[in-house]
Amino acid sequence: NAGVTQTPKFQVLKTGQSMTLQCAQDMNHEYMSWYRQDPGMGLRLIHYSVGAGITDQGEVPNGYNVSRSTTEDFPLRLLSAAPSQTSVYFCASSYSGLAVTYNEQFFGPGTRLTVL
Amino acid sequence: DAKTTQPNSMESNEEEPVHLPCNHSTISGTDYIHWYRQLPSQGPEYVIHGLTSNVNNRMASLAIAEDRKSSTLILHRATLRDAAVYYCILRDVTSGGSNYKLTFGKGTLLTVNP
Repeated sequence: NAGVTQTPKFQVLKTGQSMTLQCAQDMNHEYMSWYRQDPGMGLRLIHYSVGAGITDQGEVPNGYNVSRSTTEDFPLRLLSAAPSQTSVYFCASSYSGLAVTYNEQFFGPGTRLTVL
Repeated sequence: DAKTTQPNSMESNEEEPVHLPCNHSTISGTDYIHWYRQLPSQGPEYVIHGLTSNVNNRMASLAIAEDRKSSTLILHRATLRDAAVYYCILRDVTSGGSNYKLTFGKGTLLTVNP
C-alpha cells in the first residue's frame, strides 16, 4: 500500500491565486481530514469527512473548500490564496466506526505552501 | 474538549530510557489517551494509545495513572531516530463523526544526544 499520498510536495502561489492540494489513500478508510501546521505550532484541523459525499468544518475552515466524491480522494481547494495561508498542510485518514476502538490515523508527508 | 499539558522540551541520551509526561486532569471516562509523534519534516505518526491499563507495543509503553489524570510515554532505549515532537491527545470515541478529530497541542520536543 502507498498509504496516504499528497501532491504537490512544495508550492509557491501569489496572493489571489487558487489551487488544489491533492490527497489520496489506498486503505479504504472512511475518515479523511486536512490539517495545517504553522511554525512552532501543533496541527489545526481545517475540514474533515466521514465518508464519500459527507464533509464538515474543522477549527480553521475559512478560505478553504473540500469535497469527497470518492472514498480514496479528498482534495483541498484554496479559493483565493492569502499570505496567512502559508503553512504546511497534512492530510490524514483512518477507519471509522465503533468496532475499531482506536482509529489510528495515518498522515501524508505534507505539502509546503508559500503564498507571496 | 479535555486538554492536555506537556513540557515544551526534554533531553535524553542515546540508549537511555525516556519518560514523557502528560497531564490531563479534566479527562472524561470515555476519553482514550493517544500519543503521536512527528519526526522532522514528516507528518505525525501513531505511537500508542490506552484507556485505563498500561499498554506496551513495539515502539513504546504507556503508563496511565490510576485516577487517569496523567500518563507517561516511555521509550525504553532512546535512539537518535526518536528525536521528534511527541503529542499527547485525548479522544472520545464513543460517538462518530467529529469525534475522530485529533486536537494537537504544541507537544514535547524530544532531543536525543549521542
